[in-house]
Amino acid sequence: NAGVMQNPRHLVRRRGQEARLRCSPMKGHSHVYWYRQLPEEGLKFMVYLQKENIIDESGMPKERFSAEFPKEGPSILRIQQVVRGDSAAYFCASSRSQETQYFGPGTRLLVL
Amino acid sequence: QQQVKQSPQSLIVQKGGISIINCAYENTAFDYFPWYQQFPGKGPALLIAIRPDVSEKKEGRFTISFNKSAKQFSLHIMDSQPGDSATYFCAASKDNDMRFGAGTRLTVKP
Repeated sequence: NAGVMQNPRHLVRRRGQEARLRCSPMKGHSHVYWYRQLPEEGLKFMVYLQKENIIDESGMPKERFSAEFPKEGPSILRIQQVVRGDSAAYFCASSRSQETQYFGPGTRLLVL
Repeated sequence: QQQVKQSPQSLIVQKGGISIINCAYENTAFDYFPWYQQFPGKGPALLIAIRPDVSEKKEGRFTISFNKSAKQFSLHIMDSQPGDSATYFCAASKDNDMRFGAGTRLTVKP
């Protein structure tokens, strides 16, 4: 039973480019969460999605960031026109119900 | 607004000692309190979790103590080992709203 999968594991972008981060939840999990972690800091909630619906995006910056969880395929976190301050580790978590979240290995984004 | 406060920020313990990490929460609606362990370059992994209807939960060397009236909970690692060196995050949640503490970097010296 594979865990939460994220790809790519590492992503390098130049300022102004777009970053696409993918997350495949654990089998049977329909809840997906995205978090951002800066070096030496904790996890900051960004967005919570269920299939085809954004449930809570209160932690998502209003501009340049978007997320989706289509009926088929992985959840996508998209960052447009990246800036250096977007450099961070982005973690996806999934859950079956409204409880324990299981985390993926993360995508480390570096903006040059 | 920081809903979960975690301390200390870093902790150094000798091998065989007890590591204690504390967390306090504000929202009395929280009803699920997990602890996560994160090694460098890895994602957080669920370590142990507790609900407010019990005051203590033990799994191997790891124990959560929970004080509902004080809105505090703590992680105790008995017989700490160098392999326990990692960053530990407490969290509190209600339904799908999970809030994390800032993390504690634990170093266990051999």
